[in-house]
Amino acid sequence: QKEVEQDPGPLSVPEGAIVSLNCTYSNSAFQYFMWYRQYSRKGPELLMYTYSSGNKEDGRFTAQVDKSSKYISLFIRDSQPSDSATYLCAMRPRAGNNRKLIWGLGTSLAVNP
Amino acid sequence: GAVVSQHPSWVICKSGTSVKIECRSLDFQATTMFWYRQFPKQSLMLMATSNEGSKATYEQGVEKDKFLINHASLTLSTLTVTSAHPEDSSFYICSASPGTTNNEQFFGPGTRLTVL
Repeated sequence: QKEVEQDPGPLSVPEGAIVSLNCTYSNSAFQYFMWYRQYSRKGPELLMYTYSSGNKEDGRFTAQVDKSSKYISLFIRDSQPSDSATYLCAMRPRAGNNRKLIWGLGTSLAVNP
Repeated sequence: GAVVSQHPSWVICKSGTSVKIECRSLDFQATTMFWYRQFPKQSLMLMATSNEGSKATYEQGVEKDKFLINHASLTLSTLTVTSAHPEDSSFYICSASPGTTNNEQFFGPGTRLTVL
């Protein structure tokens, strides 16, 4: 079993839809959770960064962490065609100096006008 | 803020030659830099972690003599692919992390390497 599981999709939605992207993980020591957006042939861009459990909102994006279920989500409201990209979750434990991230496979999202 | 650049953005080389890729943090000091490679439609694969002034830590299966990493300053790390072969063709991406407590990684735009 992989440490981080993420459905690669592809996910196709109409413009204006609410998008839900998810990752599950197996390591209960993970404390830092991140969502990155990657456009084709570009480097990933950090979207959201959360520590431990709870919600975090930034504009149209909301990140949720449920440590009891080992489940994290990214919600995109009022989705736009410009949101079409691959979304990767990443996480790591708190302890240790090694800041290596454990990555999901990424979910490919297409928002259709 | 938190801008990371890579150079070159793409490179084509002949088999057997060496290629150097630069990664720079433009507006912050990066105590740690990471090098990844990514194949089409696949996730990021960490190759190595480098801390300024010390030897890089390579992931299992990554040949350190083939992928030379130098992190000589707090704003610059280089990856040299030595004696490149067609199977080394890939998208190479660096990331940089500021400070000792900040867990965020900021990525460069990537370098597409094609070995003929």
